[in-house]
Amino acid sequence: QQQVKQSPQSLIVQKGGISIINCAYENTAFDYFPWYQQFPGKGPALLIAIRPDVSEKKEGRFTISFNKSAKQFSLHIMDSQPGDSATYFCAASYTDKLIFGTGTRLQVFP
Amino acid sequence: DTEVTQTPKHLVMGMTNKKSLKCEQHMGHRAMYWYKQKAKKPPELMFVYSYEKLSINESVPSRFSPECPNSSLLNLHLHALQPEDSALYLCASSRTGTGVSGANVLTFGAGSRLTVL
Repeated sequence: QQQVKQSPQSLIVQKGGISIINCAYENTAFDYFPWYQQFPGKGPALLIAIRPDVSEKKEGRFTISFNKSAKQFSLHIMDSQPGDSATYFCAASYTDKLIFGTGTRLQVFP
Repeated sequence: DTEVTQTPKHLVMGMTNKKSLKCEQHMGHRAMYWYKQKAKKPPELMFVYSYEKLSINESVPSRFSPECPNSSLLNLHLHALQPEDSALYLCASSRTGTGVSGANVLTFGAGSRLTVL
């Protein structure tokens, strides 16, 4: 019940396209849903986050869509760029625990 | 640049060695974390220190020994490790240790890549 399921495992998108990564959870106690971006050889960096009382949050080209009833949330990257090529982790937290999804390796080709 | 600094960036050690990983932050954060990340896997929580006291130990083997000398420093002492302990070890910090949230964001360092021969 503490798992966060993430798909797809890998994603190849052409420059300018839309990248979509999906996550699902079971534990309704989760109260904060961040997305992290990790480049090779680096630690994860917070990209964008949402609380369950909000259905959508947009920051630049990055948008989180949140469906509380379905217990699903997704990251949309508009106008994807080669510099967006990285591994993306969704996560969910409650109390002191931050549970990561399994990760999506995104490759954006010119 | 990250505001959590980890040293060394790379470490190779034998199974009988004793070594330490170091982490430093100057953001005034009062919670610090150690995570372990294997290749192509998400980070896994090992330890949490809150106000310099160990608050979470995720059943980590005793060959890993954390230490928090002060609110800015976090060490991970390594002894008698196994080859399967080879991984990227990530340090993170947050403002407090009472729940990750929008007001209490985790900031990660770049990690220390450990290879155990």
